[in-house]
Amino acid sequence: EPEVTQTPSHQVTQMGQEVILRCVPISNHLYFYWYRQILGQKVEFLVSFYNNEISEKSEIFDDQFSVERPDGSNFTLKIRSTKLEDSAMYFCASSYGTGYEKLFFGSGTQLSVL
Amino acid sequence: GENVEQHPSTLSVQEGDSAVIKCTYSDSASNYFPWYKQELGKGPQLIIDIRSNVGEKKDQRIAVTLNKTAKHFSLHITETQPEDSAVYFCAAPHSGNTPLVFGKGTRLSVIA
Repeated sequence: EPEVTQTPSHQVTQMGQEVILRCVPISNHLYFYWYRQILGQKVEFLVSFYNNEISEKSEIFDDQFSVERPDGSNFTLKIRSTKLEDSAMYFCASSYGTGYEKLFFGSGTQLSVL
Repeated sequence: GENVEQHPSTLSVQEGDSAVIKCTYSDSASNYFPWYKQELGKGPQLIIDIRSNVGEKKDQRIAVTLNKTAKHFSLHITETQPEDSAVYFCAAPHSGNTPLVFGKGTRLSVIA
């Protein structure tokens, strides 16, 4: 069964450093997302990406965040200057059509900012 | 914007009993309601979804019911098994064709 893969599974970084989280969405999917989940809390939407551009973003997704699809398979989330409050599990997701139906999530990257 | 409330936050049931988790939503324009199951250390996985043109959908031991008038939808798991133990999230679109807003989750424990 096709799946969304994310690397790394764990990332530890110092406050102020840049991090890049990587995702390989399911190959025939058209919509890509990043969500995050702070420990014990609900899954929060960050950004959606379609047709090589951001289609929607939340208030969490400020100027410190950026996304990119550098080639035909990868989808990345960059945090330019990490803060302590960026510590969370970051999930990549993809879907084939309509933008929000039948999202497939990866297993996540646990980001710890020290 | 959409607001999704989910209850209860934790639920313990005996193996073989039924479990029911309820969600309410605020945006009457929402027309798609999925349920996700998250096991420890994994991402949420879609288990069942329902569109607003039907009131109930079943898939083996799980079912979802939707009441559009009251703006609530529920997940029903019958004959629960220990492997059903997980965190379950309901969700609804933020508005129209935009990304999902998730509930806070229900931690279900099935006691053998």
